[in-house]
Amino acid sequence: EVQLLESGGGLVQPGGSLRLSCAASGFTFTNYAMSWVRQAPGKGLEWVSAISTSGASTYYADSVKGRFTISRDNSKNTLYVQMNSLRAEDTAIYFCAKDLDGLPTHWGQGTLVTVSS
Amino acid sequence: QLVLAQSPSASASLGASVKLTCTLSSGHSTNAIAWHQQQPEKGPRFLMKVTSDGSHSKGDGIPDRFSGSSSGAERYLTISSLQSEDEADYYCQTWGTGIHYVFGTGTKVTVL
Repeated sequence: EVQLLESGGGLVQPGGSLRLSCAASGFTFTNYAMSWVRQAPGKGLEWVSAISTSGASTYYADSVKGRFTISRDNSKNTLYVQMNSLRAEDTAIYFCAKDLDGLPTHWGQGTLVTVSS
Repeated sequence: QLVLAQSPSASASLGASVKLTCTLSSGHSTNAIAWHQQQPEKGPRFLMKVTSDGSHSKGDGIPDRFSGSSSGAERYLTISSLQSEDEADYYCQTWGTGIHYVFGTGTKVTVL
């Protein structure tokens, strides 16, 4: 069974940093691209970032480009996103997703990030 | 610009059917899309992929009550024999260059 477990969320001040992790199990992690998607309170889904199987290629939404860095450790079956210069508008639940040809076919339960002073 | 349009809400009675629509923006009418369900306080769940010819491939364990179809730039999700647990938000999604998801604004389904 595919499982994706996000962690690392919490309360951070504007301008601060946070690193989220997504522990994957139940599938061959190295064979799949991975993504982060977020959902602001009461709002819809917004794609944030994606990474190829090897990590050589990364992709970002314009809203986070230059502030967020996606990475993966295939030896640990773990996906990361380093979030810097956080803003109030980054407040959201962050989900990781397993990608198959442009489709997020499995999702985690999410971790909440709150940016507030 | 690649945009997906969805109605904000839909409703139907318990046991009835409901059909949701996702409309692709001009120039993208042949794109395949995916449907995702998000029940209250839960993460999304992949339901199915729907192609321009109307074929669909479902995710793991998705009941037969859920089906997909297409017409032109429109992609549909039909839920038959509506159950209380089907009350959720439904998002359509497609993809752009590289790995770049585009989501619709979502449709909230209410079971009456």
